[in-house]
Amino acid sequence: AQSVTQLGSHVSVSEGALVLLRCNYSSSVPPYLFWYVQYPNQGLQLLLKYTTGATLVKGINGFEAEFKKSETSFHLTKPSAHMSDAAEYFCAVRGNTPLVFGKGTRLSVIA
Amino acid sequence: KAGVTQTPRYLIKTRGQQVTLSCSPISGHRSVSWYQQTPGQGLQFLFEYFSETQRNKGNFPGRFSGRQFSNSRSEMNVSTLELGDSALYLCASSLGTDSSYNEQFFGPGTRLTVL
Repeated sequence: AQSVTQLGSHVSVSEGALVLLRCNYSSSVPPYLFWYVQYPNQGLQLLLKYTTGATLVKGINGFEAEFKKSETSFHLTKPSAHMSDAAEYFCAVRGNTPLVFGKGTRLSVIA
Repeated sequence: KAGVTQTPRYLIKTRGQQVTLSCSPISGHRSVSWYQQTPGQGLQFLFEYFSETQRNKGNFPGRFSGRQFSNSRSEMNVSTLELGDSALYLCASSLGTDSSYNEQFFGPGTRLTVL
């Protein structure tokens, strides 16, 4: 079985500051890991994914995440926050079951 | 290429009624998945279809059902609506036989309100 824990339901950062959204997972098989973003009244958009290979994954809009098996983590980072990054972010895992999502982290960006 | 479309976008029903939601996947995509999103429970998996066959089903009561047609379009039905069924219902499509290896593209969702 798979599960995802996102630490912090709400994160606030200043514009230009580092964004760090935390995700820890549990999986009984080698996982596939995903980060999605959801803007108000919209569906989910894939930011990046880890399947196999390089553990540092680069995504769209300047985001990246690093798969750390020893820590069972897949934290999302962006060096410099932009106002347009304000949204809800979901970490998800897929192993031998369909996608399992975390509860989400709402990112606020303060000017 | 057009994205995933869901109709209707908004729906208001009363308890006890039934509802049908529709999803048209991206052209060429054969796999469709449905999710329920609520503030309390977050995103929960409902069903996954591939080539008209249900491949996976989430932990929802039998009031929730779905199907996929030969053109890959999918519908989900909820019978005997309850207040707790109020949610955003998201549909996602992907290319291949196993959507874990293929990116899922999400539609904008149908917001269902049950009064």
